[in-house]
Parts: sequence; C-alpha cells; structure tokens
Amino acid sequence: KNEVEQSPQNLTAQEGEFITINCSYSVGISALHWLQQHPGGGIVSLFMLSSGKKKHGRLIATINIQEKHSSLHITASHPRDSAVYICAVKGTSGSRLTFGEGTQLTVNP
Amino acid sequence: DAGVTQSPTHLIKTRGQQVTLRCSPKSGHDTVSWYQQALGQGPQFIFQYYEEEERQRGNFPDRFSGHQFPNYSSELNVNALLLGDSALYLCASSSNRVRYNEQFFGPGTRLTVL
Repeated sequence: KNEVEQSPQNLTAQEGEFITINCSYSVGISALHWLQQHPGGGIVSLFMLSSGKKKHGRLIATINIQEKHSSLHITASHPRDSAVYICAVKGTSGSRLTFGEGTQLTVNP
Repeated sequence: DAGVTQSPTHLIKTRGQQVTLRCSPKSGHDTVSWYQQALGQGPQFIFQYYEEEERQRGNFPDRFSGHQFPNYSSELNVNALLLGDSALYLCASSSNRVRYNEQFFGPGTRLTVL
C-alpha cells in the first residue's frame, strides 16, 4: 500500500462542474502539497498546507490531520484546468516529499 | 527571478552510457532535491543536497549520484544506464531557513534510454 493514495485516478468533467480530488496518507506529516502538472512535465505548486483550509481563486484545499485526509476542490471548472493533480506529503523529519500517483483531470467544453 | 532551471530539457542515451543532469535553484534557496518520474506515475525521491552534502537519500542504487556546488547548483549523475532509467527527472529547490521550506520545481529533464 502506498503511503499516499489519491482518488480518483482519472476524472472527466464538463465545463462549469464542481470537482473534488481526494488524498489520503498513512504517515505523520508536517505539511501537504497540492501540485499541478501539465503535459510536458513542469510542476507548479498550488497549495502547501498543514491545517485547515486555503483558497486561491477557484481552487480550495482542505486538510484533516486527524483523519489523514486532504481534498482539492475546483469550482466552475474550465478546460484550462485539464492537467494532472498530485498530492505530496512532507514527513516530520527532513524535507523530502512523498507523492501520490496523481489524478488526470480532463474538463470538456 | 528565473526560478528553478534545469538542463538539458531532453536527452537521448543508450544503455550503459553515463548522463549528467544539471539544476540551478531559485534565487535564495540552498537545498536541492532530485526526483524521478516514470511515465504515468508520481515522482519518486532520489536524494537531497544541502551545504554540498547529500542529506537524505531515497531507494535508488549507487548508480545514481549527485553533487552540489558552492553556488547551490546541483548535478545528478547516472552511470551504466538501463532502459528503466527512462523518465522525467525533476529538480526542486527550497530554503532551509524558511519554516515548512516549500519546494519549487524546475521544468524537468526528459531522459530516454535506448
């Protein structure tokens, strides 16, 4: 079992839909990242959070430390949101990241 | 601020050869981490350099080695290349002086081993 599990693996939505991607982890962490990866490979950090909730534009990230679970929400989805979304956790010692397998999101017009 | 830069962007090698990948961290960052991402999978941690020393290492063989220079830039070396080493190699930089030291990623180097 991976230390970081994401669901779903693939997600197809229509433009305007509300999207949720989930991440569960099994280790103690000091922080959790949500990352976006477009075709070609470059990774962009969307959020880093260690508690509660963060919002940036149409993106919202939440984390429940007790349940070891985080969600990434996209409101009013748009085709330009199509990408791979990756959850990564930073352990309690050192700064290495452990990644989930990613969620491929496709938003159709 | 140029952000994290990596070179080259693409590379094709044959089995048994050696390769060197390069990374320049974001301005003000002193820590460099390297990750390998196979097609369709999440990145896997290779190692991390801080103060010119390897600070942490993932589950990769000794064929994978690295170096950090006084200007904080870093190299990843892979010897005796195998077909399975074909992947996107990502470099990420961070600051050891910042709480939670968020990592910023470079665009990656796509290595193909034939």
